[in-house]
Amino acid sequence: QSVLTQPPSASGTPGQRVTISCSGSSSNIGSNTVNWYQQLPGTAPKFLIYSNNQRPSGVPDRFSASKSGASASLAISGLQSEDEADYYCAAWDDTLNGVLFGGGTKLTVL
Amino acid sequence: EVQLVESGGGLVQPGGSLRLSCAASGLTVSYNYMSWVRQAPGKGLEWVSVIQNGGTTYYADSVKGRFTISRDNSRNTVYLQMNNLRPEDTAVYYCARAVQGYNSRIDYWGQGTLVTVSS
Repeated sequence: QSVLTQPPSASGTPGQRVTISCSGSSSNIGSNTVNWYQQLPGTAPKFLIYSNNQRPSGVPDRFSASKSGASASLAISGLQSEDEADYYCAAWDDTLNGVLFGGGTKLTVL
Repeated sequence: EVQLVESGGGLVQPGGSLRLSCAASGLTVSYNYMSWVRQAPGKGLEWVSVIQNGGTTYYADSVKGRFTISRDNSRNTVYLQMNNLRPEDTAVYYCARAVQGYNSRIDYWGQGTLVTVSS
């Protein structure tokens, strides 16, 4: 199963704004909504963003996301040390009839 | 409060079988899209399978024909029967709930159970 393409790593200093990209194709991101997950070290993933840019209750508004065509991005503003985690995008693929996850981006807060 | 508790993981030899269970509380599995997602050691997330509320199932190509997802409504439990296991199936397997109508919108996750395929 192919994956959505994310950069393997990203970094920033406290207070900075960082973005993480997620590139797909017309059969997945191009035609379906994108969701984002945060995975802190040693824990299960956490639901972060749904429907391209919506935050579930309890997720700080420092987290935002967008989608354009077959690509999506996650932005974290006012970076905090507790944001250090792995971040994954996900979308349904109409050709594969399955869910695709991005390869994950490890965010380091310097 | 929704809780998903996986069990059944362990060490199995290549070619062997294992059945994972996911006991749900706070939700009714028959009304929901129940999924399995796995994560190999040090690797990213990989979707495995979903059983939708109407009973429709989908599988990742990597497990199609070897894994079967099912549910027992009376026990409010979801299962993943894994046959002909390969070393590359070694992973933590998470049970998860996807929002109805949206297979990739997973809002509840279990804590995971480790499956190790090795001789």
